[in-house]
Amino acid sequence: DQQVKQNSPSLSVQEGRISILNCDYTNSMFDYFLWYKKYPAEGPTFLISISSIKDKNEDGRFTVFLNKSAKHLSLHIVPSQPGDSAVYFCAASGRTGGFKTIFGAGTRLFVKA
Amino acid sequence: DAGVIQSPRHEVTEMGQEVTLRCKPISGHDYLFWYRQTMMRGLELLIYFNNNVPIDDSGMPEDRFSAKMPNASFSTLKIQPSEPRDSAVYFCASSQRDGRNYGYTFGSGTRLTVV
Repeated sequence: DQQVKQNSPSLSVQEGRISILNCDYTNSMFDYFLWYKKYPAEGPTFLISISSIKDKNEDGRFTVFLNKSAKHLSLHIVPSQPGDSAVYFCAASGRTGGFKTIFGAGTRLFVKA
Repeated sequence: DAGVIQSPRHEVTEMGQEVTLRCKPISGHDYLFWYRQTMMRGLELLIYFNNNVPIDDSGMPEDRFSAKMPNASFSTLKIQPSEPRDSAVYFCASSQRDGRNYGYTFGSGTRLTVV
């Protein structure tokens, strides 16, 4: 039972353009959503989070949008840089899950110079 | 701070042998998590601790897996006996509070290969 789904295994974007990574979830009890970035041979690194009481959170080039009615969130990276090339994991957590964080399968982003 | 430190980075062992993975969390973090990453199942939570006490071990695959946290600066994940299907990258992570707002800090992982 995949509670957090990232349906695109990979995404390729030109440097300077916008990257949009998508994530869907099924559990309406999730109240925090997070994005992590992972480079090869390293652990995931926390990028940005959003509470379910908000619909947008911004941090520099990274913006996360949350659509609770659609159970959908997205990560926008503007402008995209070659160093952004990595695997991006969407994650979600809810009080009823004992604060466990559930991760999606990840989307590999390629930013072409 | 050196971050979350895991050892060893790589482990190759024969089926049936005991394997012990080690983790040193960030000082001051009161939550510690063990995750496993495989191609088939992605990142899955095995167990987590709060203030050295195991809170949820429902993700531990079977009795062959055990985890301990004898003090705030050290945790182990043990597999005995190991099987080829245990081959994966094992990550340890720590956080202040539950880490839901500010995320976890992950270690670099231990790549386990059981032959």
